[in-house]
Amino acid sequence: GAGVSQSPSNKVTEKGKDVELRCDPISGHTALYWYRQRLGQGLEFLIYFQGNSAPDKSGLPSDRFSAERTGGSVSTLTIQRTQQEDSAVYLCASSLGQGRLSTDTQYFGPGTRLTVL
Amino acid sequence: KQEVTQIPAALSVPEGENLVLNCSFTDSAIYNLQWFRQDPGKGLTSLLLIQSSQREQTSGRLNASLDKSSGRSTLYIAASQPGDSATYLCAVRSETSYDKVIFGPGTSLSVIP
Repeated sequence: GAGVSQSPSNKVTEKGKDVELRCDPISGHTALYWYRQRLGQGLEFLIYFQGNSAPDKSGLPSDRFSAERTGGSVSTLTIQRTQQEDSAVYLCASSLGQGRLSTDTQYFGPGTRLTVL
Repeated sequence: KQEVTQIPAALSVPEGENLVLNCSFTDSAIYNLQWFRQDPGKGLTSLLLIQSSQREQTSGRLNASLDKSSGRSTLYIAASQPGDSATYLCAVRSETSYDKVIFGPGTSLSVIP
């Protein structure tokens, strides 16, 4: 597709269950970002991929959160043993990422709204 | 550590008014600054990207300026319309942490018909 896509668009789960969120970046974009946005708050950086590598995992809030990217394309964000405070919109973005370019623009997907009951 | 702030937090104006949204950042060593729009329940849409070497960018009724030395950017919206109602976020990509784009908290704009 032309843009960043994410699935599912909505996910309701019970506390303690694991969830997996998916992001399909724009074709040819080597950089991929995950953010979390809690209700009424700004974007919180979670993790960044360049290709399949994640040089910066410092934004992941706990060891229950993990992410991977395969084939330099699709990425999955996994949250284990979900807690109510994990409820948020999880946004994915991609950019060309061809070196440190001042023109590198992020394009966002529509997000996955996660609700933990 | 880069910190980004935006004022005002919320703004309500009558249709047709020109308005200015402000973004401030603490570390002036940046690669670029990007303005986004977020509609309720939706993702972010990129509006304008200003490179560190640029002073301003224009797209239609939008004009974004950048003053790196003072750590400020403004987004000017001319002749506002109800369809402009949304939350506007600025985001900074720093030289010291290129990969970690830092977002401001946003300005919620309402344009009243």
